[in-house]
Parts: sequence; C-alpha cells; structure tokens
Amino acid sequence: AQSVTQPDIHITVSEGASLELRCNYSYGATPYLFWYVQSPGQGLQLLLKYFSGDTLVQGIKGFEAEFKRSQSSFNLRKPSVHWSDAAEYFCAVVGPVNFNKFYFGSGTKLNVKP
Amino acid sequence: GAVVSQHPSRVICKSGTSVKIECRSLDFQATTMFWYRQFPKKSLMLMATSNEGSKATYEQGVEKDKFLINHASLTLSTLTVTSAHPEDSSFYICSARLQETQYFGPGTRLLVL
Repeated sequence: AQSVTQPDIHITVSEGASLELRCNYSYGATPYLFWYVQSPGQGLQLLLKYFSGDTLVQGIKGFEAEFKRSQSSFNLRKPSVHWSDAAEYFCAVVGPVNFNKFYFGSGTKLNVKP
Repeated sequence: GAVVSQHPSRVICKSGTSVKIECRSLDFQATTMFWYRQFPKKSLMLMATSNEGSKATYEQGVEKDKFLINHASLTLSTLTVTSAHPEDSSFYICSARLQETQYFGPGTRLLVL
C-alpha cells in the first residue's frame, strides 16, 4: 500500500543551524514528490517538487530536497534556519499515473530556538 | 502564479444552520479541486474530490448529504456544510490541481455554536 512516513513529529533547531526533515515513501512506482509548509492557521504552501532529472531540487525560502531512489526518501534541507521557518512541514507524493490521489505524511512541526 | 483563494477565512454560525465555503483558482483553470478537513495538530483528511461538471467523489465516512460540494466552473468549487453541529467545527482547506501539483487555499476556520 502507498504511504508516506515522516518519522519526526517535532524537531527543534537553533536559529542559524542547519535543518534536515526526513520523508520516506512506500509506492509501487516512482511517484512525484512534494514538500509543503503550513504556518499556524494557514493553508499549505508549496516549497518544492520533484518529478524527474536532477535529484537535488531547489525550492523557495532557501529550501532544497534530495531524492534518493535507493532509500525511497525525499529529505528536505536548509543550511541556516530562520525564526520565520517555524511551521509544520508536510511531505506528499502523487502519481505517476493518477494525479488525483495525493498521499501526505503526518507532518513535522519545526520549532526554532532564538 | 497558481493562487487559490478561500472565502470566508473564518465563520461562526449557530447549530442547525448551513454554511457555504468558496474555493477559487485565481489564475488558472482547475478541472479538479479537493476539500480537506484538518483537526488540531493533525494532518489533512481528504473529504472529497470535486470535478468540474460532475458529482464529487466522497471519501469513505464522509456524509455527502451533509457536506455538499458543487464545482460549477473551472475556477470555483463550493462546500456547503448543511445543518451544522458543533462537531463540524474544524479547519477546512481546499486545493486545486494544476497538472501534477495541488495548490492550496488559505483555509476556512468554522466554529459552530
């Protein structure tokens, strides 16, 4: 069965420190992969997505993610976290045939210490 | 680009009344839109998939007579919570699909008293 796992429910990092949020998926074929961010009381904003090609993708707000097929992972990274990055982050997969069935991870809440 | 709006952003209503939430894709046409419900500190729960010009497809356990979805145009889908009760209080989020990607609205906070 298809599923997305975000192993870390909460992560706390100091401002200026590096960040890595983990995402693993279980899927019949290589899906399309996404990272979204949700600030409190807001909808989800697309950070980045991977469909094919270069496995290191750049997104908005200084985020990047690396697709590793052998590990079925799509981890999100940022070299230096800002206080405004405190939010909930969701990994999601879809496709590659049916684009109406998204699978979301349970989310990782990021806290940023001053 | 790919902006989705929702209206209202928050609504308070009395138990037994109906509430309509609008979801619009502002700069693209969306054949398919989605409605989600999010409980506090929880992930998104897909309620239904809305296709323009046809009936919505509801997820198991979602009452279609309670949560009426209409997708009358390529830029507008509406969710009507009928005879709302306090247990319907929640955060409702819509999204619109553009090719492979879903773009989300800002959400609607519903409080039923």
